[in-house]
Amino acid sequence: DIQMTQSPASLSASLEEIVTITCQASQDIGNWLAWYQQKPGKSPQLLIYGATSLADGVPSRFSGSRSGTQYSLKISRLQVEDPGIYYCLQGYSAPRTFGGGTKLELK
Amino acid sequence: EVQLVESGGGLVQPGRSLKLSCAASGFTFSNYYMAWVRQAPKKGLEWVATISTSGSRTYYPDSVKGRFTISRDNAKSSLYLQMNSLKSEDTATYYCATDRQDYFDYWGQGVMVTVSS
Repeated sequence: DIQMTQSPASLSASLEEIVTITCQASQDIGNWLAWYQQKPGKSPQLLIYGATSLADGVPSRFSGSRSGTQYSLKISRLQVEDPGIYYCLQGYSAPRTFGGGTKLELK
Repeated sequence: EVQLVESGGGLVQPGRSLKLSCAASGFTFSNYYMAWVRQAPKKGLEWVATISTSGSRTYYPDSVKGRFTISRDNAKSSLYLQMNSLKSEDTATYYCATDRQDYFDYWGQGVMVTVSS
């Protein structure tokens, strides 16, 4: 199975700060990478698919990028509604696997 | 508006069975692959099953293969998950989701399944 290693496991950031979360794939997965946001008691919401494509209705402050087998989710200016747990998902091969999650809090 | 509403969860003893349902609306259900994804309490996400548009093809990870069966009724816009030989490690919130075959886009609110004696 492909392992997705997310970092950091948690972070605290201030409003308007730039935040970056990364996922390292254990092998080449091309652009088959998605990002999700999950708020407490809610289901995950799709943010990014295809490593860089913004899902419908997602604010443009969210962006995704890729460098080899490392993938990044960037929040350009952290807003009050952005705290939650962020997960990556590899869709390259079965079984599809998620990263362990990054808990983002407001400082 | 896409809506996915799960039902059928609850408390079940180890070794017993349970069947989850997911009622879909707001999109052409028969055009979409569908999936179940679960999340153990305070843990991460795990893909559980996927079914093709017609229902002719199904996919599972090793952790549930042979115990869980995904099915669908396109006439009723409904998705199902039959779970047999349940184990304590199957305790989780189960989400129904539309499946783009590499990512899941729309998710239901989830239904809790607790396996305990």
